[in-house]
Amino acid sequence: SYVLTQPPSVSVAPGKTARITCGGNNIGSKSVHWYQQKPGQAPVLVIYYDSDRPSGIPERFSGSNSGNTATLTISRVEAGDEADYYCQVWDSSSDHEVFGTGTKVTVL
Amino acid sequence: QVQLVESGGGLVKPGGSLRLSCAASGFTFSDYYMSWIRQAPGKGLEWVSYISSSSSYTNYADSVKGRFTISRDNAKNSLYLQMNSLRAEDTAVYYCARDMRTVTTGYFDLWGRGTLVTVSS
Repeated sequence: SYVLTQPPSVSVAPGKTARITCGGNNIGSKSVHWYQQKPGQAPVLVIYYDSDRPSGIPERFSGSNSGNTATLTISRVEAGDEADYYCQVWDSSSDHEVFGTGTKVTVL
Repeated sequence: QVQLVESGGGLVKPGGSLRLSCAASGFTFSDYYMSWIRQAPGKGLEWVSYISSSSSYTNYADSVKGRFTISRDNAKNSLYLQMNSLRAEDTAVYYCARDMRTVTTGYFDLWGRGTLVTVSS
């Protein structure tokens, strides 16, 4: 089955840039989607199709995908960005949706 | 108001059964694939199952295949998950989500708040 690997944690100072990676075999050939989940809340879609933002998501959130790594970038980080972030792809070989292991972003 | 509301969670003994429901409102439910996704306490997200808009296609994670059954009633704008032979490792918050499925990908743009299922003796 397809595996997506994320770093367990990322720490960033307010106003700086956070980069969260999502590693998978030839992930650049797939569409990657990203979710933000705050404690006690349901996940929220923040990036879809590698780099598109749903309405209501700040421009500070951006995404890229190439080779074996997809990246979610949060610019000008704010305290309210502190959350868990998950990447997700569809695995065509199994017709299963696959989530990454998740990354906890801490704002220092 | 566009929303999904899950219900039916609770405490069940190992080997028992439970049926989850998800009520959709504010959008044309019959136009969309739907999925169930779960999250064990303190753990990450795990996709469980999807169903196509007309119920023609379904699929399941290996961890639940043969024990769980997804279904929907488009006339009632409702999604269901019948869970049988429950195990302790099925303990999780179960979310229903709108599945933006295409031929090459799928993502979840609308989530419910979730319902907690606890499997314990």
